Amino acid sequence: DGGITQSPKYLFRKEGQNVTLSCEQNLNHDAMYWYRQDPGQGLRLIYYSQIVNDFQKGDIAEGYSVSREKKESFPLTVTSAQKNPTAFYLCASSTPMNTEAFFGQGTRLTVV
Amino acid sequence: GDSVTQMEGPVTLSEEAFLTINCTYTATGYPSLFWYVQYPGEGLQLLLKATKADDKGSNKGFEATYRKETTSFHLEKGSVQVSDSAVYFCARTAYSSASKIIFGSGTRLSIRP
Repeated sequence: DGGITQSPKYLFRKEGQNVTLSCEQNLNHDAMYWYRQDPGQGLRLIYYSQIVNDFQKGDIAEGYSVSREKKESFPLTVTSAQKNPTAFYLCASSTPMNTEAFFGQGTRLTVV
Repeated sequence: GDSVTQMEGPVTLSEEAFLTINCTYTATGYPSLFWYVQYPGEGLQLLLKATKADDKGSNKGFEATYRKETTSFHLEKGSVQVSDSAVYFCARTAYSSASKIIFGSGTRLSIRP
């Protein structure tokens, strides 16, 4: 079955450590996205990539980094520079011109 | 800039009641408009979409009409079920880039049996 897989579902890290969230898709989509969701809040765009080896900052990119070396994969690294990293992270990919975006199940990151 | 504003929740209704969740968007460009639904602990699923003015999106008994004159895309359902309890997000494509989707803050809906 085609879809987007995020792993792990839950992740705990100590403050000051970098952590990488995985996102893989087998939908053959060119565009991929990372969003952050805080309790009771909407989704805020962190980074997006329209094509392999290219990506753009979203609205809240500070403290995060990404890579897009393969069409299928768009990992997100939450660095120690991110002041408040505890949140629910959602990865998505989309069809051409955004006729529909498909989301993964999310990773809940808790930094202690 | 681009934005989407939707009614604040939570919204609590009895089963079989009529549902309206209001959504308005900034009138920049010619965006595509979407409603997504999020069930507890999960990602978002596309519920319906409309790509141009006067289009009506529909799915699972939910409907929304792209109203350019009022910059609105209100979600409606004639008779809600307990299984409709979820968070609903209105969204639009960005004026600066069709590859960006901008989401509203979400409306939590709870249906009482």
